[in-house]
Order: sequence, then C-alpha cells, then structure tokens
Amino acid sequence: QKEVEQDPGPLSVPEGAIVSLNCTYSNSAFQYFMWYRQYSRKGPELLMYTYSSGNKEDGRFTAQVDKSSKYISLFIRDSQPSDSATYLCASWKAAGNKLTFGGGTRVLVKP
Amino acid sequence: DGGITQSPKYLFRKEGQNVTLSCEQNLNHDAMYWYRQDPGQGLRLIYYSQIVNDFQKGDIAEGYSVSREKKESFPLTVTSAQKNPTAFYLCASSKIKLGGTGVQPQHFGDGTRLSIL
Repeated sequence: QKEVEQDPGPLSVPEGAIVSLNCTYSNSAFQYFMWYRQYSRKGPELLMYTYSSGNKEDGRFTAQVDKSSKYISLFIRDSQPSDSATYLCASWKAAGNKLTFGGGTRVLVKP
Repeated sequence: DGGITQSPKYLFRKEGQNVTLSCEQNLNHDAMYWYRQDPGQGLRLIYYSQIVNDFQKGDIAEGYSVSREKKESFPLTVTSAQKNPTAFYLCASSKIKLGGTGVQPQHFGDGTRLSIL
C-alpha cells in the first residue's frame, strides 16, 4: 500500500464549478501536508501547505486536513480553464526530512 | 530571477551509456533533491543532499549517482545499470530550517525528459 493515495482522474468540471480533490495517507508520522500544481511538461509548483487539522484558505484555494481520518482535501472555487493541470498532494515527516507524494489527479476545466 | 534550471530539457540515452542531467539553483538553498516521475505515478525520491559534499540515497537510488561539489549544483548521472531509465526527472531545492525542525517547501525545476534510443 502506498503511503499517500490519490485518485488519478481525470476529473472534468465546467468553468466556474468547485473542484474537489482528495488524498488519503497511512503514516501517522506525517506532520505537514502540501498541494502542488503541475502543468504538462513542467515542474510542480507549490500551491499551499498546512500543518494542523482544519482549513487554510488562499484566494480561490482551500486546503483541508483531517488527521483523525488521515484525509487531505483541496478545493478550488470558481474554477478556470487555466486550472487544468495535475494536482499532487504530498506529506512530510521529520524523520529523513522527506516528502512523500501521491500519484496526482488530473483536472480538466472546460470553458 | 531566482530559480532552478535543469538541462537539457530532452535527453536520449543509448544502451550501455551513462548520461548526466544538470541541475543548478540560485536560490541559496542548502538542500537539493532528485525525483523520478513516471506516468500516473507520484514523484519518487532518488537522492538528496543537505550540504555540500554530502548526499543520501532516496527510495530508488539503484542505477543512479550524484555529486554535490558546489552548493548551487547537484548533477544526476543515470548509469547503464539503470535498466528502465525512461522517465521525467525533476530536481528540487529547499532551505533547511534552523534547528532541523519543521518543513521548508521544496521548489522544482522544469524537468528533463529522458528516453532510450
């Protein structure tokens, strides 16, 4: 079993809809949780990261962590065609100072 | 502009050949990382380095080698021992938080796509 799991998608939504992305993780040692956006043939770009359970908002993006159920979410409000990309969740633990990535979810926002 | 530069963008390897991928950063970051990305899979850590002249194996180091002679540079060699080298290779860097606790986000270059001839 992978330590961080994501549905690969693709997830197709109409422009203006809310995009809802999810990850689950299995290792209780994970302390920080990150979301990256990756456009085709480009490197991942950090969107946001969180430490504690609860919500963190940045513009149209909201990250949510539920440590009790080991569940991570990212919501994108008012989605735009430019949001079409692969979204990667990642978890970090102090031991080894390493990130563990999910497989990514491909999102398509249709105009 | 500060950032991470990977070169070349595309690389082709012949059977039995070693190839070296370049990664340079001007962010003054102490830590650098190499990941491999295969279609539908997450990034897998190959090697990482937190200080010059020191590096550690990641989860899939077999068939790869690295060096860290300068803070700015962390080249990756894909050796002939790596039997399935076709993938997208990503280099990243991050600060190291004083005291060693807490995460410092990793920033990525735009990758090198390696294929077999």
